[in-house]
Amino acid sequence: DIQMTQSPSALSASVGDTVTITCRASQRISQWLAWYQQKPGKAPKLLIYKASTLEIGVPSRFSGSGSGTEFTLTIDTLQPDDFATYYCQQYNTLYTFGQGTKLEIK
Amino acid sequence: EVPLLESGGDLVQPGGSLRLSCEASGFAFDDYTMAWVRQAPGRGLEWISAVYSGSVSPYYADSVKGRFIISRDDSKNLLHLQMNNVRAEDTAVYYCAKGAAATTSWYFDVWGRGTLVTVSP
Repeated sequence: DIQMTQSPSALSASVGDTVTITCRASQRISQWLAWYQQKPGKAPKLLIYKASTLEIGVPSRFSGSGSGTEFTLTIDTLQPDDFATYYCQQYNTLYTFGQGTKLEIK
Repeated sequence: EVPLLESGGDLVQPGGSLRLSCEASGFAFDDYTMAWVRQAPGRGLEWISAVYSGSVSPYYADSVKGRFIISRDDSKNLLHLQMNNVRAEDTAVYYCAKGAAATTSWYFDVWGRGTLVTVSP
């Protein structure tokens, strides 16, 4: 099974900051990686797929990069609506989610 | 219109059974992979099962293999999850999710709102 490890598990930042979340796969997954945003009590929302392709309607301040085993999600100029939990997911072989990164307001 | 609407969540005793359903609308249901993803209270997301278009080869996470059965009724745009021999650790919100492709693993582009399953005596 492919394991996904996100870091950090939690992150404090201020509105206007730029933050980066890292996701590492236990084996190579090419670019078969997605990022989701989840707010409390809500379903996850797809942000990025194929490591760097922005889902329609997602603000351009979100960006993704990486391939193989290491990936990043970057959020430029944080907005109040961005404070949430973020998950990576590999879909190279079935599906595995990372453990999540909770982005909190400093 | 809600694209995916789950139902069937309830309080069930350990060892009992429960059937979850997900009603799809607004897209060609039979053209896509469908999956169940769960989230235990205060925990992260866990994929548990998926079925490709055509109901070929359902897949399960080890945590539910042999206990849960996924099925789809393309004539009614319904996805089901039969949960048998449930355990306390099955307590979670269960989400129905649409894959972005018909076959092979793909990301999930549409999610339901979830249905809560609580396993307790």
